Amino acid sequence: EVQLVESGGGLVKPGGSLRLSCAASGFTFNIYSMNWVRQVPGKGLEWVSSISSSSSYIFYADSVKGRFAISRDNAKNSLYLQMNSLRAEDTAVYYCARDLHNYDSSGYYYWGQGTLVTVSS
Amino acid sequence: EIVLTQSPGTLSLSPGERATLSCRASQSVSSSYLAWYQHKPGQAPRLLISGASSRATGIPDRFSGSGSGTDFTLTISRLEPEDFAVYYCQQYGNSPFTFGPGTKVDIK
Repeated sequence: EVQLVESGGGLVKPGGSLRLSCAASGFTFNIYSMNWVRQVPGKGLEWVSSISSSSSYIFYADSVKGRFAISRDNAKNSLYLQMNSLRAEDTAVYYCARDLHNYDSSGYYYWGQGTLVTVSS
Repeated sequence: EIVLTQSPGTLSLSPGERATLSCRASQSVSSSYLAWYQHKPGQAPRLLISGASSRATGIPDRFSGSGSGTDFTLTISRLEPEDFAVYYCQQYGNSPFTFGPGTKVDIK
């Protein structure tokens, strides 16, 4: 059974940093692209960042570029999101998600339960 | 950046009715790399359709996707009580892999 379990969320002050983790199991992690998606409470889904299976390709939303860094450790079956210079508008539930297919770009079939990040003084 | 516009914002229908949701892109979506998701409060989003028209595993056949280029449609042929939710389209052909603002399907 595929499982994605996020951790690392919490309360942080504006300008602070936080590192999210996503532990993956039940599939061959190192052949799939992985993604972070967030949802501000009461708002819609926002794509945050994606990373290819070997970390060769990395993409960011403009709203987080230069502040967030996505990475992965295929040996540990883990995905990460280092979030720096956090702002109030980064307050959201952050989901990690796995591509449907490993051979082509595809939608996100498997999702974690989400971890809440709250940026407030 | 490809901007996705979804309409209507809210769709009020009764169980058994047909729902037609629209997603329009500001420029052509590469290779029909367009997905539809269902999202309910407190749950993770659920992939319904990828590649504009391919149902994901386990998705009932009352859900269908169509379209290409800049115009895409999600159709729910007969609404079941569990289908009342928010639906998002997403393009994953060109970074940033944007989502639309969503269409809420609620009970009339």
